[in-house]
Amino acid sequence: DAKTTQPPSMDCAEGRAANLPCNHSTISGNEYVYWYRQIHSQGPQYIIHGLKNNETNEMASLIITEDRKSSTLILPHATLRDTAVYYCIVILSGGYNKLIFGAGTRLAVHP
Amino acid sequence: GAVVSQHPSWVICKSGTSVKIECRSLDFQATTMFWYRQFPKQSLMLMATSNEGSKATYEQGVEKDKFLINHASLTLSTLTVTSAHPEDSSFYICSARGQDGNTIYFGEGSWLTVV
Repeated sequence: DAKTTQPPSMDCAEGRAANLPCNHSTISGNEYVYWYRQIHSQGPQYIIHGLKNNETNEMASLIITEDRKSSTLILPHATLRDTAVYYCIVILSGGYNKLIFGAGTRLAVHP
Repeated sequence: GAVVSQHPSWVICKSGTSVKIECRSLDFQATTMFWYRQFPKQSLMLMATSNEGSKATYEQGVEKDKFLINHASLTLSTLTVTSAHPEDSSFYICSARGQDGNTIYFGEGSWLTVV
């Protein structure tokens, strides 16, 4: 599975968009980009995933660059409850493939 | 989304005893479940992959005789920490692959404290 690089921490003002970057320069053509987040003392929460097209759901948007070497998770209107550690993970979809977590980005949303 | 539930949410046990943690997929069948451990201020570490009806596959460095995993049905996997010691105190989290085959959902986690 391709390795990912994320900034260790970010800050965002409440109500503003939070843009979380992720580099995955060694991604292969059939690997997906997944985003999860973990709020303190809870299990990780699935946010979104994509292959090469941009994706949007009720939680966030995922923008993947054309060369697929990086992506950005966008929380359009961050709230205090979005304070969490965000993990970007690249894996082959389906089968017995497993999620390997890196250090993630610690997002702090402040008033 | 799919729901994965763990029980108990927290448990305290005496050193030398064994403790079992259950992981259930509530509204879907999961042929594959995963067990993680997380120490404070660290990321999740994958311990093992649990496959229904077969032996679990353990990650390097994880003692399979100490962390017994059973996946007897399509909705239940259990992790038993045998002969627990204080250094086994941790946050244990399970996850299950959804029926779409693409998404993995996580339980709420179980805090284990060994005294």
